[in-house]
Order: sequence, then structure tokens, then C-alpha cells
Amino acid sequence: DSGVTQTPKHLITATGQRVTLRCSPRSGDLSVYWYQQSLDQGLQFLIQYYNGEERAKGNILERFSAQQFPDLHSELNLSSLELGDSALYFCASSVHGQGLGETQYFGPGTRLLVL
Amino acid sequence: AQSVTQLGSHVSVSEGALVLLRCNYSSSVPPYLFWYVQYPNQGLQLLLKYTSAATLVKGINGFEAEFKKSETSFHLTKPSAHMSDAAEYFCAVSGSHMNYGGSQGNLIFGKGTKLSVKP
Repeated sequence: DSGVTQTPKHLITATGQRVTLRCSPRSGDLSVYWYQQSLDQGLQFLIQYYNGEERAKGNILERFSAQQFPDLHSELNLSSLELGDSALYFCASSVHGQGLGETQYFGPGTRLLVL
Repeated sequence: AQSVTQLGSHVSVSEGALVLLRCNYSSSVPPYLFWYVQYPNQGLQLLLKYTSAATLVKGINGFEAEFKKSETSFHLTKPSAHMSDAAEYFCAVSGSHMNYGGSQGNLIFGKGTKLSVKP
């Protein structure tokens, strides 16, 4: 158990809908990362937050957005869902979020299926 | 830009045999390199990481990896495979360039190598 929690574990929805994925980082970690894992794209970095502020963006679609709240939990919002958004979404956390070899701890993921 | 290439999407070994999973990186700055393992229906777990302290890095579950700058490689090895090692293994490099006034910490992953262990 990494200490990172994600809810829900599974999500089934329809095209055009909007969903929210939730992540609670390890106690003491200030930075949260979101990754998408799909069969065709592999593991891709979406976005990073540090202490409530957006720190870095990766291959995140405009239909996707995220935020980190004062209690440091984070939410990833996916809207106007398409079939291709079906994937496993991971949240990870780290203490400082500045790279330099810092370990990221991953949650169990949320499996999203868009029908 | 940084990238990672994992050679072989599937590797199959017999129980007790040597495990060798290959990873090559590309980076214009000194890299930080990681190996993560993903068991079925689970998240990623760190096996080991290279942060420039020592070129031979030992990790959990008997795995180790050697950083070779001249070959831009960071291959993962284990002397004797166990059935419990069957999983998917990911090599990753950490972004270390400056962004938003600080260094960026996201991981850039390879495509992964699925390891099968035959009895």
C-alpha cells in the first residue's frame, strides 16, 4: 500500500458525459501528478500540482482539467468524454515535486470505460 | 527532450533463470532513472532508482540495475526469476529541466515490458 488513495476504482459512463476522479496523496506529500495509461499511448503524464498550484502540464486535452485543494487532495475532471478516453488514470504523489530523483508513489488507479 | 526506450514488449524466462530487461534513455541533461513494476490490476511500485550516487543500484525483491552513461542504458536484472516476478516493468526518466520557476518532476515512461515466468 503506497498511501495514495484514488476513488472510484471503476467508472463506466457514456460518450459526452463528464466525470470526476479523486486522489488523496500520501501524508506529507505536497505534489500530485496525474497519468493516463492506455494500450495505444502507454503511460503519459497529464498534469502536476504542487501545494495547490499548477506546476507542469503534459499531454492533457483541453476537455480535461484538474485542481488541488487546500487539504492537498486533487481532482481530475474529464468532460465531453469520447471512446478514446477509456483508460486507467493514475495519481501519484511526492514530497516536493521538483524531480531530482524524488520518488513518486502511485495510487491503485481509476479504470474509466466510456461506452 | 528526454525519452526512454524499452527493448522487447514481452520477455519470457524460466523459473530460476536470469532476468534481463533492457532500457535505453535519451537525455540532454544528467538523468534520473527509475524502474517501476506493475502487477495485474494494481498501481506502480518503485523497484529502484538512479540518482547519480552509484552506478550499480540495488532495489527490492532482488532486482538491480546498472547505469552506463557510455551506452545510455539502465538495464534491469535479477539473477534468478521467481513465479512472483511475473508483471509489467516500466523504465522511466525524470524531467529535470526548469519550469514554472522550479524543476519539473514528472516521469517519462517507456512502453513497458511484460515479464512471464515459466515453471
